[in-house]
Amino acid sequence: DGGITQSPKYLFRKEGQNVTLSCEQNLNHDAMYWYRQDPGQGLRLIYYSQIVNDFQKGDIAEGYSVSREKKESFPLTVTSAQKNPTAFYLCASSMGRGTDTQYFGPGTRLTVL
Amino acid sequence: GESVGLHLPTLSVQEGDNSIINCAYSNSASDYFIWYKQESGKGPQFIIDIRSNMDKRQGQRVTVLLNKTVKHLSLQIAATQPGDSAVYFCASRGGSEKLVFGKGTKLTVNP
Repeated sequence: DGGITQSPKYLFRKEGQNVTLSCEQNLNHDAMYWYRQDPGQGLRLIYYSQIVNDFQKGDIAEGYSVSREKKESFPLTVTSAQKNPTAFYLCASSMGRGTDTQYFGPGTRLTVL
Repeated sequence: GESVGLHLPTLSVQEGDNSIINCAYSNSASDYFIWYKQESGKGPQFIIDIRSNMDKRQGQRVTVLLNKTVKHLSLQIAATQPGDSAVYFCASRGGSEKLVFGKGTKLTVNP
């Protein structure tokens, strides 16, 4: 069963803690993306990776970090430097350069207590 | 900066009617456009896409129209069903490999 999985579905964090959100895909896609979704706003790009061991900052990268050690995995760490981390986080993937359609995972809802 | 916007934040239709959701984009260099459907608490689901060398593309019960002259994009859903109730948003790619997303239109289908 191919697709993109994200875990956990819900995550609660205390202020000052780092948390890592998981994103895995078995679609053999080269490119992966992390977005943040807030109520009433469009998706905003945090980080993206076109190939293993390489990634670029998106529009709102401050307070976040990523790694791309494997093609299938693109974990996102929300650090304590992120001032307003409560949001719905979405991971997506696409085949890569020249192929634009992005397919999304089910999302992780992060709440800071 | 580059933006993508939807004309109406909400749309309410009767079951069986056709729905039209509109979207405007600002970057005249945009060459790829995509529509997503997002149900509450779930990730966006791909509906249909279109490239700038086309004016119209049809899928199953959905049609996307692109008017590059006025930088306008629309999604038409035929014979709207209760299962079509969701937030719909468009995205465009212009000049970079990143997609720019609109804020979404919430479609409510009344029985």
